[in-house]
Amino acid sequence: AQKVTQAQTEISVVEKEDVTLDCVYETRDTTYYLFWYKQPPSGELVFLIRRNSFDEQNEISGRYSWNFQKSTSSFNFTITASQVVDSAVYFCALSEPSGYSTLTFGKGTMLLVSP
Amino acid sequence: DARVTQTPRHKVTEMGQEVTMRCQPILGHNTVFWYRQTMMQGLELLAYFRNRAPLDDSGMPKDRFSAEMPDATLATLKIQPSEPRDSAVYFCASGNPVGSTEAFFGQGTRLTVV
Repeated sequence: AQKVTQAQTEISVVEKEDVTLDCVYETRDTTYYLFWYKQPPSGELVFLIRRNSFDEQNEISGRYSWNFQKSTSSFNFTITASQVVDSAVYFCALSEPSGYSTLTFGKGTMLLVSP
Repeated sequence: DARVTQTPRHKVTEMGQEVTMRCQPILGHNTVFWYRQTMMQGLELLAYFRNRAPLDDSGMPKDRFSAEMPDATLATLKIQPSEPRDSAVYFCASGNPVGSTEAFFGQGTRLTVV
């Protein structure tokens, strides 16, 4: 069975600090996809990134970066120079080989960025 | 700007009443998902459809929940009769496995059963 663990329930930082959100997953599949979603206070789920299991290259998008390490089954998310608008709940998710079907979500990490 | 549209955004109902939530997937997407979010369980998959056919609804309590896609532009999730433990945010998402794109989520329906 698939499982996603986000051990950090809540993180508080001050604006401009860097912050890393951890994600550890379990799966028996050799092919799978990993995702991060953001849920701001308004409630919608916003897609951030999708990664397949064969692509271990780190990715950077502006202030966001992702570190995928298959050896440790981790897919960590770093926000550089955090801003108040980054305050949200962040979810890591795992899907079966067909793509994004039946996403298994972690419990989420609430990030609070203070001015 | 294509998006998944869910109605209503908020619903308060009394226990025992029927509740219907609607979802309009993004045009051209052939896969639709229903997820439920609660504080205790987090985000759970209830059901999903591909090309309007139900592929998996094992996450739904069968005795009171039903999900349908009357046509390609409408998905419905119905609860009858509703119970206080059904209080949650219900999300619809759509996507298209061709090209393996991500799933896009609607804004959710916040259901409160009193």
